[in-house]
Amino acid sequence: GNSVTQMEGPVTLSEEAFLTINCTYTATGYPSLFWYVQYPGEGLQLLLKATKADDKGSNKGFEATYRKETTSFHLEKGSVQVSDSAVYFCALGNNAGNMLTFGGGTRLMVKP
Amino acid sequence: EAQVTQNPRYLITVTGKKLTVTCSQNMNHEYMSWYRQDPGLGLRQIYYSMNVEVTDKGDVPEGYKVSRKEKRNFPLILESPSPNQTSLYFCASSLGGFRNTEAFFGQGTRLTVV
Repeated sequence: GNSVTQMEGPVTLSEEAFLTINCTYTATGYPSLFWYVQYPGEGLQLLLKATKADDKGSNKGFEATYRKETTSFHLEKGSVQVSDSAVYFCALGNNAGNMLTFGGGTRLMVKP
Repeated sequence: EAQVTQNPRYLITVTGKKLTVTCSQNMNHEYMSWYRQDPGLGLRQIYYSMNVEVTDKGDVPEGYKVSRKEKRNFPLILESPSPNQTSLYFCASSLGGFRNTEAFFGQGTRLTVV
């Protein structure tokens, strides 16, 4: 079956530092890849997505590129802010469209 | 406002006492799904529905039931809850499937079974 593996947290950074959260996947067919973000006490929100190989998703300064050759979808941001503190989930949408498979989540803490 | 609404937000119950967690969306979405979130495991799918009266099992369906009698509602039923069902539950909906369109999530229901 499909699976998603992402780096364990917590990741603690100072404001304006560079962020990378690694995500790799195994899947059959042609999945879509997503990053969702969960702020404290809230549900998940879509941060960005990519639907095919070599697509780059971007939003709010975050970006990730769908790399089929390395089965990866790493999340990056050049300069994090305190307001980026949250839990980030890498997810895979299967061919049938009936399931999202999530990684374990990575908690990011940004200190002023 | 487009949203997915779950109720209750918090629930403490005893083993074996039937309960229902409601989920409603106002976006006319075809797809709906229930997930449970446990530390280090991410979110795991319990059940999903692709349309009214069409439901199917996800990865962890044991001990749960669902129904989809109306497009907007997708309740999660625990007929005989057990302590291993203590978790944070999320309902999600999507217009055209979870591969191609954004999933919208409710705010979550934190369930404790004692």
